[in-house]
Amino acid sequence: DGGITQSPKYLFRKEGQNVTLSCEQNLNHDAMYWYRQDPGQGLRLIYYSQIVNDFQKGDIAEGYSVSREKKESFPLTVTSAQKNPTAFYLCASSSYNTEAFFGQGTRLTVV
Amino acid sequence: AQSVAQPEDQVNVAEGNPLTVKCTYSVSGNPYLFWYVQYPNRGLQFLLKYITGDNLVKGSYGFEAEFNKSQTSFHLKKPSALVSDSALYFCAVRAPEGNQGGKLIFGQGTELSVKP
Repeated sequence: DGGITQSPKYLFRKEGQNVTLSCEQNLNHDAMYWYRQDPGQGLRLIYYSQIVNDFQKGDIAEGYSVSREKKESFPLTVTSAQKNPTAFYLCASSSYNTEAFFGQGTRLTVV
Repeated sequence: AQSVAQPEDQVNVAEGNPLTVKCTYSVSGNPYLFWYVQYPNRGLQFLLKYITGDNLVKGSYGFEAEFNKSQTSFHLKKPSALVSDSALYFCAVRAPEGNQGGKLIFGQGTELSVKP
């Protein structure tokens, strides 16, 4: 089936550790996005990419990094510089003039 | 700068009554506008979009929205609410061109509660 897949569904990070969240799509979409969701704050854009090997910072990029080596994949690394990483992370993809399709999310918790 | 505002954190309606969830936006150029719904611990589901054409857009589950360029609004409406409509609703805007073309920004969300 066509869609967008995030993994893992739950992730636990120790203090000072980097972790990578996976996002894969088989919809042949050019654009991909990463959002962070905290209670009462809606979705905040971390990074987005409109084409392979290119990406732009969103509103809250500090402490995060991404890569876009393949059209299908847009992994997000939460680095140790992100001091409050506990949140629900959502990945999405879209074509230029269509709606975005979302994955089911990854819940990251610092332990 | 590109932005979306949903002025109401929560909207409460009785089942069978009409509902409105408000959204205003700010973007350069002609906007692409979207509404999404989210159920607990899930990703977002697409409801409807405005790209161009008729200002009244019809979407999934009986929802509709009206694009008003002069008021920069895109309010979500439904003539008769169902208890199953209770969820978190997000409005989103994407700039179609320019140096931030493709950037997709969401409002803070509105919790809709429909009581029997």
